[in-house]
Amino acid sequence: ELKVEQNPLFLSMQEGKNYTIYCNYSTTSDRLYWYRQDPGKSLESLFVLLSNGAVKQEGRLMASLDTKARLSTLHITAAVHDLSATYFCAAYFTGNQFYFGTGTSLTVIP
Amino acid sequence: DTGVSQDPRHKITKRGQNVTFRCDPISEHNRLYWYRQTLGQGPEFLTYFQNEAQLEKSRLLSDRFSAERPKGSFSTLEIQRTEQGDSAMYLCASSSSGPRYEQYFGPGTRLTVT
Repeated sequence: ELKVEQNPLFLSMQEGKNYTIYCNYSTTSDRLYWYRQDPGKSLESLFVLLSNGAVKQEGRLMASLDTKARLSTLHITAAVHDLSATYFCAAYFTGNQFYFGTGTSLTVIP
Repeated sequence: DTGVSQDPRHKITKRGQNVTFRCDPISEHNRLYWYRQTLGQGPEFLTYFQNEAQLEKSRLLSDRFSAERPKGSFSTLEIQRTEQGDSAMYLCASSSSGPRYEQYFGPGTRLTVT
């Protein structure tokens, strides 16, 4: 079964703290994506990870991919309120299908 | 900078009616995807077009749903005989051929079936 699982589903963190969101997928994939979604809005692309060991960073967010472990992480450094949103990972599986995780709802508390 | 557009943004319909949504992708993108998203869930893949050809369709997609992309540009998604369970946000995304397959999403059409 093709599946993408994220944890945690909900994350409340204080400003200035670090945390990691985990994304596991069920079968071989060589493309992993991270998106951000604000309430009532559409999805904004954050990162595209194309190979084992890929690491991408943008501001306080850093994403990595371990294809052997079928695991991607999204690390948040020194969180700020503006990062509050829902974050989704998605894996590309053969057959041109993208499977999304259920999302991690992040709230950054001042 | 013209992104992906969708029309309408909101649609309220009575159960049993047919509805049609339109998606205009980024002009140079030949791949187009439709997704459905319900509250608290991630987008669920519905179907995929490369140019005008519909190449993939989710097994979850009932035969009440049909999608077209007649000239490889805009696409339409039609739902016939709507049911309350069809209430959701319908998202369209487009991408170029690769290798990144990075998808750019439209604002979505929120469907409410009463």
